[in-house]
Amino acid sequence: QKEVEQDPGPLSVPEGAIVSLNCTYSNSAFQYFMWYRQYSRKGPELLMYTYSSGNKEDGRFTAQVDKSSKYISLFIRDSQPSDSATYLCAMWGYSSASKIIFGSGTRLSIRP
Amino acid sequence: EAGVTQFPSHSVIEKGQTVTLRCDPISGHDNLYWYRRVMGKEIKFLLHFVKESKQDESGMPNNRFLAERTGGTYSTLKVQPAELEDSGVYFCASSQKIKGVFVTEAFFGQGTRLTVV
Repeated sequence: QKEVEQDPGPLSVPEGAIVSLNCTYSNSAFQYFMWYRQYSRKGPELLMYTYSSGNKEDGRFTAQVDKSSKYISLFIRDSQPSDSATYLCAMWGYSSASKIIFGSGTRLSIRP
Repeated sequence: EAGVTQFPSHSVIEKGQTVTLRCDPISGHDNLYWYRRVMGKEIKFLLHFVKESKQDESGMPNNRFLAERTGGTYSTLKVQPAELEDSGVYFCASSQKIKGVFVTEAFFGQGTRLTVV
């Protein structure tokens, strides 16, 4: 069983829609939960990270962590065509030593 | 400020040949990581340098892979001899140590796409 599960998509929504991206995980030792955005032929770019449970908002992006359910989400409000990319969830805990554990990524397409 | 730079961006080599990938981290970043993504799989950790020392190399797949970081600046990852299953995208990342949790602020390079034929 993978430590982090993420639906690969693809997910296609119209411009302006609210997008919900999700990951589940099995390792209760994870403490930091990250979302990366990756455009085609580029490296992952950190969008935001959250420590432990709760919500964090940054502009049109909101990250949620529910440690009791081992479930994390990224919401994108007022989605734009420029948001079209692959979104990767990633996690880390002290038990992981140096390793960030990545989900497989969800490919998102925003239709104009 | 320049980001993490990797080259080449793409390399095609024959099975059995040697390839060396290079990573230039962000200036002043002591932590340097190598990750790779093989086709259809998630990005996976290979190893972590703190300055010139290997902090964690538990993700290196076998002894055909050799990573070095001379003088704690740039790093190279050599694959010798390359096998078909080594094909994938190799990412380098770097970070400072912030509040004792360095991995959460890792900046990634654009990756080197390695194709072994």
